[in-house]
Amino acid sequence: QSVLTQPPSVSGAPGQRVTISCTGSSSNIGAGYNVHWYQQLPGTAPKLLIYGNINRPSGVPDRFSGSKSGTSASLAITGLQAEDEADYYCQSYDSSLSGYVFGTGTKVTVL
Amino acid sequence: EVQLVESGGGLVQPGGSLRLSCAASGFTFTNYGMTWVRQAPGKGLEWVSAISGSDGSTYYADSVRGRFTISRDNSKNTLYLQMDTLRADDTAVYYCAKVVTMNWFDPWGQGTLVTVSS
Repeated sequence: QSVLTQPPSVSGAPGQRVTISCTGSSSNIGAGYNVHWYQQLPGTAPKLLIYGNINRPSGVPDRFSGSKSGTSASLAITGLQAEDEADYYCQSYDSSLSGYVFGTGTKVTVL
Repeated sequence: EVQLVESGGGLVQPGGSLRLSCAASGFTFTNYGMTWVRQAPGKGLEWVSAISGSDGSTYYADSVRGRFTISRDNSKNTLYLQMDTLRADDTAVYYCAKVVTMNWFDPWGQGTLVTVSS
């Protein structure tokens, strides 16, 4: 089972701002391990969206931003667009499990 | 261009075995760790296993430890996942990905579907 908890779904109108939380614990995010985010469009493989908590790979629009505080992290999408409709996953490392962990996933719907 | 191409998926009976392959190109394979991640139908992502680039150290999720074996052939730029004693709950699309510095995964392959059913 996932040790990083995300809301199952978030929605917003085009142009609005939405945020996705990723809640962990003292053995993963709270231990200082970095958080990364992935976007999975329908029927495709996941794609890296944010790495090292706050960094965007080249080609990712600056509408996407990441943050981290304590045992949680967040992904924000500003100026929501229809093409942002996808599933989003956070990922980190867990020292208790000695392995990588993913969030439960969040489906973003553009109204 | 960095590219990862999985193969080897298919239908297998419970208790059976399957070996997945991931052919890598466009980067110095030996310099990077590699990982397998799976996604059951309609479900989220689950990390399965990883192998380091340097010394070949291996890591497994509890759900597959003792049944799956990750390996790599650096001369062929290929990653493998030997899956034994397969169960119905191993049914998933299996993705391989390159592990980058602070342990993020980029890029991912297109995935290969494994179906465990009688």
